[in-house]
Amino acid sequence: KNEVEQSPQNLTAQEGEFITINCSYSVGISALHWLQQHPGGGIVSLFMLSSGKKKHGRLIATINIQEKHSSLHITASHPRDSAVYICAVRGQGAQKLVFGQGTRLTINP
Amino acid sequence: NAGVTQTPKFRVLKTGQSMTLLCAQDMNHEYMYWYRQDPGMGLRLIHYSVGEGTTAKGEVPDGYNVSRLKKQNFLLGLESAAPSQTSVYFCASKEWTRRTEAFFGQGTRLTVV
Repeated sequence: KNEVEQSPQNLTAQEGEFITINCSYSVGISALHWLQQHPGGGIVSLFMLSSGKKKHGRLIATINIQEKHSSLHITASHPRDSAVYICAVRGQGAQKLVFGQGTRLTINP
Repeated sequence: NAGVTQTPKFRVLKTGQSMTLLCAQDMNHEYMYWYRQDPGMGLRLIHYSVGEGTTAKGEVPDGYNVSRLKKQNFLLGLESAAPSQTSVYFCASKEWTRRTEAFFGQGTRLTVV
């Protein structure tokens, strides 16, 4: 079993829909990252969180440390949100990130 | 401020050839990482460095070597390329403190034929 599991692996939705991507992990962590990767492009950090909730524009990330679970939400989704979203965790005292397999999101106009 | 820059962006190698990928960061970060990304798999750590002159193995280090002679540069070498090393390679860097984000390069697409 992978230390970091994301669901769904693929998600297709219509423009305007509310999107939720989930991340579950099995180890104690010091931080969780949400990353975005556009087709053929590099990787951009969206959020880093260790508790609670963060919001940036239409993106919201939440984390429940007790349940070892995080969600990434996109409100009023747009075709430009189409990308792979990656969850990564840093274990307590660890110097490395462990990555989920990513969720491929496609927003149709 | 360029952030993290990888060179080259694309390369095709023949089996057995050698090459070096360069990662340069201008943020004075202590930690630097090399990952490979393959279809259907998450990013996997090849090697990493927690400071100038230090390197350590990650999950998939075989067939690769690294060097961190200068703080701003982290080199990934393939001594004898194999088709299994066809992948997209990403470099990342971050500050030494735990609660800071990592910055990624744009990736290097390597094909070994």
